[in-house]
Amino acid sequence: EPEVTQTPSHQVTQMGQEVILRCVPISNHLYFYWYRQILGQKVEFLVSFYNNEISEKSEIFDDQFSVERPDGSNFTLKIRSTKLEDSAMYFCASPRLSLETQYFGPGTRLLVL
Amino acid sequence: AQTVTQSQPEMSVQEAETVTLSCTYDTSENNYYLFWYKQPPSRQMILVIRQEAYKQQNATENRFSVNFQKAAKSFSLKISDSQLGDTAMYFCAFMKPIQGAQKLVFGQGTRLTINP
Repeated sequence: EPEVTQTPSHQVTQMGQEVILRCVPISNHLYFYWYRQILGQKVEFLVSFYNNEISEKSEIFDDQFSVERPDGSNFTLKIRSTKLEDSAMYFCASPRLSLETQYFGPGTRLLVL
Repeated sequence: AQTVTQSQPEMSVQEAETVTLSCTYDTSENNYYLFWYKQPPSRQMILVIRQEAYKQQNATENRFSVNFQKAAKSFSLKISDSQLGDTAMYFCAFMKPIQGAQKLVFGQGTRLTINP
């Protein structure tokens, strides 16, 4: 079965640096989502993206965050100037056969020092 | 706003036993979707089971089944014949009816340990 893929699996960066997290959703689906999970906490919604536009974003998704679709298949989440509190697991998710069921990528573990 | 509550931070059972994880939610919607996701130590999020609110029949997937009580806004997960590989965090999640892209709202999770 096709899977959602994410790169890198781990990223260590210095506070204030920019990071770009990448995701390839399932089968060029038009919908995809980014979620964040701080260690030991629940998974939180960041942003949804549909047909090259942001569909919804949470209060976490401030001006430091942006999402793009630089080519036909990849989606990126950019954090412009990372903060210590951005350290978390970042998941992208994509529907497969039906829109209401989201399948998650393996995640990118971001550590900001 | 929708909220999801998992009141059991941790649970532990012996292998082969049956265990039930609790989840309650709050919504004013009549139609919606509910999910259980499993997160093993690898931290991958794995879909376990889903339930459509308009369906009265409880969903089942092999050893996993749910008890969906719409009036009580309760959605518990039952794991039968538990296995060591079931050890993981389990998250309950809610989704509003689909009108374009819809986010998942997660509970705090229950850490389940299956002991040999």
